[in-house]
Formats: sequence, structure tokens, C-alpha cells
Amino acid sequence: AQSVTQLGSHVSVSEGALVLLRCNYSSSVPPYLFWYVQYPNQGLQLLLKYTSAATLVKGINGFEAEFKKSETSFHLTKPSAHMSDAAEYFCAVTSGNNRKLIWGLGTSLAVNP
Amino acid sequence: DTEVTQTPKHLVMGMTNKKSLKCEQHMGHRAMYWYKQKAKKPPELMFVYSYEKLSINESVPSRFSPECPNSSLLNLHLHALQPEDSALYLCASSQDGAAYRNSPLHFGNGTRLTVT
Repeated sequence: AQSVTQLGSHVSVSEGALVLLRCNYSSSVPPYLFWYVQYPNQGLQLLLKYTSAATLVKGINGFEAEFKKSETSFHLTKPSAHMSDAAEYFCAVTSGNNRKLIWGLGTSLAVNP
Repeated sequence: DTEVTQTPKHLVMGMTNKKSLKCEQHMGHRAMYWYKQKAKKPPELMFVYSYEKLSINESVPSRFSPECPNSSLLNLHLHALQPEDSALYLCASSQDGAAYRNSPLHFGNGTRLTVT
């Protein structure tokens, strides 16, 4: 069965520092992977997705993620954090029959001045 | 601005009330979703409509009743809710309900529901 593990429920970085949010997946079929962001008092917004094309995926707001099959990982990075990046980040993988999204528990990112 | 509009933004209702949540999208998407989200938790899928037909019901209690009047509108009728139903209710749409890889979810900003 498909599953997603996000390591670290809370991550804190300084403004200008590298952001690294970790996501590992388990999938019995080639996975489709997503990162969504949720700003306070808003819905979720797609940051980027991996759908078996390029393994390095670029998303919005300067974020990118690299699909590593050997490590079953899809970590999210951004070279330089902004205060506006403070939000909840969710990694998700499609279910085996592609009818649902399986969500990670989320990582709350805090950016300190 | 979100392309999926949800009303109302906030709702407080008693356990004997009947209320409805509304969702609208004009992106031509053919799949629409209701999710429930508790604070600091991932969203939990409740219902999926694909081409205006209910395609997924995640064993949601009957006090929640979805309705899809047309391809742009989605309602969630609420009746006799419990305090534990208090949550953020999110509506989402996608181009195609069975192909997440090519049609990611577009979420509204949600209705924050409090049941007293």
C-alpha cells in the first residue's frame, strides 16, 4: 500500500537559509508525488508535482524537489528562505489505483528573522 | 485569489441546526471534492464527484450529505452535527477525477465550521 512519511513535524530556519523538508514514500507502483503548501487561514496550494518525467522538479516560489527512486524520497528544497515561506507543507502520493491522494502528516515551517 | 470559491468562510451552528456549505469553480473542471481538515493535520477525503456523479464516499456519516447540482457547483448539507465535526471543510476541484498525475487539486480557502 502507498504511504508517505514526512520527517520532522516542525522545521525552523533563519531567513536566507536553506530550506529542506523531507518526504519518503512507499509505493507498489510508479508513484506520482506532490508537495502542497497551506498558508495560515487558507486552503492548500500545489507547489510542484512529479509525474515520471524529469527527476528534478521546479515549482512555484523558488521551491524544487528531486525524485530519488533508490532512496524512495522526494525532498523539498529552497536555497534561501523568506519570511513569507512560513506555512504548513504536505507531501502526497497517489494511491495504487490513482483514485486518491495519500497525504503525509505535514511539516510546519517557521522562518526566523 | 483562489479559483475555487467557498461560502461561508465561517459558520457556527448548533447540534440541531441544518446548514449548507457551498463551493463553486469556473475552471471547467469535471471532478469536485469535499475534504475535512482538523488543525495541523492533513486533509481527510470525504466525497468525490466525477462528471456530476458521486464516485467516492469515504464512509462519511449520513449527517453530511453532498450534492452536485451542476459541474460548477458543489454543496455539503449538514444536519445534526456533533461538536467533533468542528473543522475546516475544504472544497477542491480537478480537471479529471481519476487522473491525479495530470490534474492536481485546486483548493478553496475553506469554511471553518464550529458546532456548539
